[in-house]
Amino acid sequence: KQEVTQIPAALSVPEGENLVLNCSFTDSAIYNLQWFRQDPGKGLTSLLLIQSSQREQTSGRLNASLDKSSGRSTLYIAASQPGDSATYLCAVSRGGSEKLVFGKGTKLTVNP
Amino acid sequence: DVKVTQSSRYLVKRTGEKVFLECVQDMDHENMFWYRQDPGLGLRLIYFSYDVKMKEKGDIPEGYSVSREKKERFSLILESASTNQTSMYLCASSPTGVDNQPQHFGDGTRLSIL
Repeated sequence: KQEVTQIPAALSVPEGENLVLNCSFTDSAIYNLQWFRQDPGKGLTSLLLIQSSQREQTSGRLNASLDKSSGRSTLYIAASQPGDSATYLCAVSRGGSEKLVFGKGTKLTVNP
Repeated sequence: DVKVTQSSRYLVKRTGEKVFLECVQDMDHENMFWYRQDPGLGLRLIYFSYDVKMKEKGDIPEGYSVSREKKERFSLILESASTNQTSMYLCASSPTGVDNQPQHFGDGTRLSIL
């Protein structure tokens, strides 16, 4: 059974710092890995999707990497801003299907 | 932009009531999903539909049913609401067979069962 773990559960950093969020999964037979952002009381917003054949994806100040063999992904945020404060969720597909298994998220606070 | 619309942001119902949560997407996606999100438990899949009139149980289907009569609409039904179904409910959609398309989520329905 696929399990997804995100460490740390919460992170507080000063504005301008570069930071890394971690995601690990137990079954390497994934179709893709997705990173989402969730603001309080809201739905999820897709940030990056990495296909199983890819190593990384970039969007603006965000870079996500995938090491399928070791069951790990990282989300790198450069030059963090207070507007980046949110919960970041990692999810992996289940063995070729469209269904996702989610981690419990990392709550990020960027202090001005 | 894909839009997934959930009919209510907040809903209060009583135990034993039959509750309907509605979700509509405007991008002709084949797949639609219902999740619930609880503190400390994260997002858990309730039901999944990969086509009209097709459905598949997720991880926690007990106490729920779904309906997909039209491609754009996916309804979650609480047959007889109980207090342990108080939660945030999230609907999502995605296309089939398109490698780089993520799931798109609605804003959620916060449901309270009294």
